[in-house]
Amino acid sequence: VQLLESGGDLVQPGGSLRLSCAASGFAFSGFAMTWVRQAPGKGLEWVSTITPYDGRTFYADSVKGRFTISRDNSNNALHLQMISLRAEDTALYYCHILIPRSWTTDYPLEFWGQGTPVTVSS
Amino acid sequence: DIQMTQSPSTLSASVGDRVTITCRASQSVDSWLAWYQQPSGRAPHLLIYKTSNLQSGVPSRFSGSGSGTEFTLTISSLQPDDFATYYCQQYITNSATFGQGTKVEIK
Repeated sequence: VQLLESGGDLVQPGGSLRLSCAASGFAFSGFAMTWVRQAPGKGLEWVSTITPYDGRTFYADSVKGRFTISRDNSNNALHLQMISLRAEDTALYYCHILIPRSWTTDYPLEFWGQGTPVTVSS
Repeated sequence: DIQMTQSPSTLSASVGDRVTITCRASQSVDSWLAWYQQPSGRAPHLLIYKTSNLQSGVPSRFSGSGSGTEFTLTISSLQPDDFATYYCQQYITNSATFGQGTKVEIK
């Protein structure tokens, strides 16, 4: 099981960025996926979730209207389109599998990637 | 969104100590509560799911309990690898919020 994030970069305030997460080793299309971020020296902050089949999306108030989560089940990929970026969006962005209620350790999963860094600065 | 509050924010303890971390939810999350460990400079990893179930490979000195709005993570005898930051997460909703974290430091 692997989650590999990419797309993080240095971007100016007001700019845009698209993050991606390549998933492998598990039935990606059957799992709700989330983006979680961690600002330098701070805790984990849930950013957004997308459900597995119907693709319903959910956003933290801090990113609503600026970030868009999407998934490509045919290519086992998760994306986060970010626009109107602010300094407070600076963080390490993690791809994270939302634990299904039915999940047990009978189906081995690694729930986190290693993260991709986003820096918003002029 | 459901607010998750952990206490304490920082905990100083010695190897061999019994350690307890508390997580409170602003509304009931039933038993849909997970605990994660994040060593310094590394990605988080799952310790416990559904309140009290250990992830594979997690030592039995870790345990979880609670229901509804109040939960605890206990480490029965703290080991050197356990000095890290711990987070609770509710997943009763798709807006799967985290507590602010508890840093376990060496006393």
